[in-house]
Amino acid sequence: NAGVTQTPKFQVLKTGQSMTLQCAQDMNHNSMYWYRQDPGMGLRLIYYSASEGTTDKGEVPNGYNVSRLNKREFSLRLESAAPSQTSVYFCASTLDLSSYNEQFFGPGTRLTVL
Amino acid sequence: QKEVEQDPGPLSVPEGAIVSLNCTYSNSAFQYFMWYRQYSRKGPELLMYTYSSGNKEDGRFTAQVDKSSKYISLFIRDSQPSDSATYLCAMLIIQGAQKLVFGQGTRLTINP
Repeated sequence: NAGVTQTPKFQVLKTGQSMTLQCAQDMNHNSMYWYRQDPGMGLRLIYYSASEGTTDKGEVPNGYNVSRLNKREFSLRLESAAPSQTSVYFCASTLDLSSYNEQFFGPGTRLTVL
Repeated sequence: QKEVEQDPGPLSVPEGAIVSLNCTYSNSAFQYFMWYRQYSRKGPELLMYTYSSGNKEDGRFTAQVDKSSKYISLFIRDSQPSDSATYLCAMLIIQGAQKLVFGQGTRLTINP
């Protein structure tokens, strides 16, 4: 099992450009998450998907959109990138979010917006 | 005020030392308390979790929770250079959906 995979690993964008970060999991998990990690801030939740076909905002959703393409895949889109979106982005998945289950994290995407 | 506070360090100790990492929190509704370990340029991985006050031991690691003081700790005994990583505390509420709140993370270096 590959677990949670993310593409790309690194990306440099210019202000105003758009891009989509891809995430896939092969653990048959129902719930998926997108976090961003900034120095001194820990991980903050951007969006999550409780199950296929549903998405909800987290703590810092502004400037992002998400798509739960199917049970395996959850993508994060930046429509018009801004320097404030320079960060490391992590995708995570868990079996079910209505009770305690471990969240498994991907390796991250390092994004720089110039 | 952040819901979860963690000293970012960095913390540097010699090999074999006992390491103590701490977090405080303000939300008494948190139900689960976790410690994640994150190696450089990797994603976080769950190290330990607990849901009650008291101690939980796993090998060289001990997680301690004091709900009355809203304080959690992670102790590492006989620390090894391979323990060098960033350690993140995290607190979980389950209210219809999981809400996981992370501390800032403490960067730890174990010197041979």
